[in-house]
Amino acid sequence: SQTIHQWPATLVQPVGSPLSLECTVEGTSNPNLYWYRQAAGRGLQLLFYSVGIGQISSEVPQNLSASRPQDRQFILSSKKLLLSDSGFYLCASDRGGGYTFGSGTRLTVV
Amino acid sequence: ILNVEQSPQSLHVQEGDSTNFTCSFPSSNFYALHWYRWETAKSPEALFVMTLNGDEKKKGRISATLNTKEGYSYLYIKGSQPEDSATYLCALGVPSGSARQLTFGSGTQLTVLP
Repeated sequence: SQTIHQWPATLVQPVGSPLSLECTVEGTSNPNLYWYRQAAGRGLQLLFYSVGIGQISSEVPQNLSASRPQDRQFILSSKKLLLSDSGFYLCASDRGGGYTFGSGTRLTVV
Repeated sequence: ILNVEQSPQSLHVQEGDSTNFTCSFPSSNFYALHWYRWETAKSPEALFVMTLNGDEKKKGRISATLNTKEGYSYLYIKGSQPEDSATYLCALGVPSGSARQLTFGSGTQLTVLP
């Protein structure tokens, strides 16, 4: 079965600072990978997905970017964080059936 | 933009009570409906993936039904226990090439009181 590793669990960053959140997958190969965000009081929103190394699709215009340098690694980045980037970020993998989610990172931009 | 709505937003029930919540979604171009349970400080856990109109799925005391023609799914919990306390998410699955995007509702937060 798949396991998603996400870190850190919580992060407090100042406005204007860079961001790098990493997600790695175990137990599968060539998964589809996804980044979701839950802003305060809202549902999970898809930010990016990737069907293979170097392939990134973006769902919403935003201050963030994603990269997939290896088959089982998915990175969410920002050069300069905004207050509105605060939220709970979840990485997910899809290899048939339902998604498998990581445990998430709660990002607070101050 | 797909609109997936869940109701109620939150729910408190007594231990032993049975309960149910609703997920509504656009009925056109249906592909799949997912249910997840999300406990605090844990990863969302997949409960069901439903694809056919009239589908009924069961996992222990939890079951779900699907009506794709009218665009709703019900999640039922029989004899609620405190460990059932969690946020229950439904999501509409839409294929995008080889990927499957999920559009989530905002969830129903269930609290089971001992």
